[in-house]
Amino acid sequence: AQKVTQAQTEISVVEKEDVTLDCVYETRDTTYYLFWYKQPPSGELVFLIRRNSFDEQNEISGRYSWNFQKSTSSFNFTITASQVVDSAVYFCALSESTDKLIFGTGTRLQVFP
Amino acid sequence: SQTIHQWPATLVQPVGSPLSLECTVEGTSNPNLYWYRQAAGRGLQLLFYSVGIGQISSEVPQNLSASRPQDRQFILSSKKLLLSDSGFYLCAWTAGYGDYEQYFGPGTRLTVT
Repeated sequence: AQKVTQAQTEISVVEKEDVTLDCVYETRDTTYYLFWYKQPPSGELVFLIRRNSFDEQNEISGRYSWNFQKSTSSFNFTITASQVVDSAVYFCALSESTDKLIFGTGTRLQVFP
Repeated sequence: SQTIHQWPATLVQPVGSPLSLECTVEGTSNPNLYWYRQAAGRGLQLLFYSVGIGQISSEVPQNLSASRPQDRQFILSSKKLLLSDSGFYLCAWTAGYGDYEQYFGPGTRLTVT
């Protein structure tokens, strides 16, 4: 069965600290897709990244980076030099080439000035 | 570019009253459409999805229903609201299966009193 686990319910950091959000997934398929979304206080989910199971290269986008490791079934998200505007709930999600996304329960990140 | 709209933004309804939430997508054709519910402080629960006009798949048994009368219109309804229907309702669309991210609307915050 497919499952996404985000064990960290809430993380608090001070501005400029680096922070890593963990995501562990379970799937039986060899072809699957992983996603990260950000949900700021306004509520709308914002798409951040998509990764397919055949591409294990890490991705960097500005202060954001993602570490995909099939060996540990993990797709972790790191924010470097965090800012107050990064405060949000972050969701990891999995798709198995179907029409549905399976979301983790989310990690609430609070960045204090 | 594609945009997704939801209305109303907020709604307060008494128990037992009907419900109609609307979602429309612009700038694309034949999208897959989704309704999610997010209870306070919780993750996202997929309620319904649709791959075409008149085609609705239900994920969980409940007193809600969905309809897709037009290609880019998705409606969530209830004949009689329950207290447990309170939550944040999000509509999303995607261009296809698997390797396609879902894009979310701004959401409707429903409070059943």
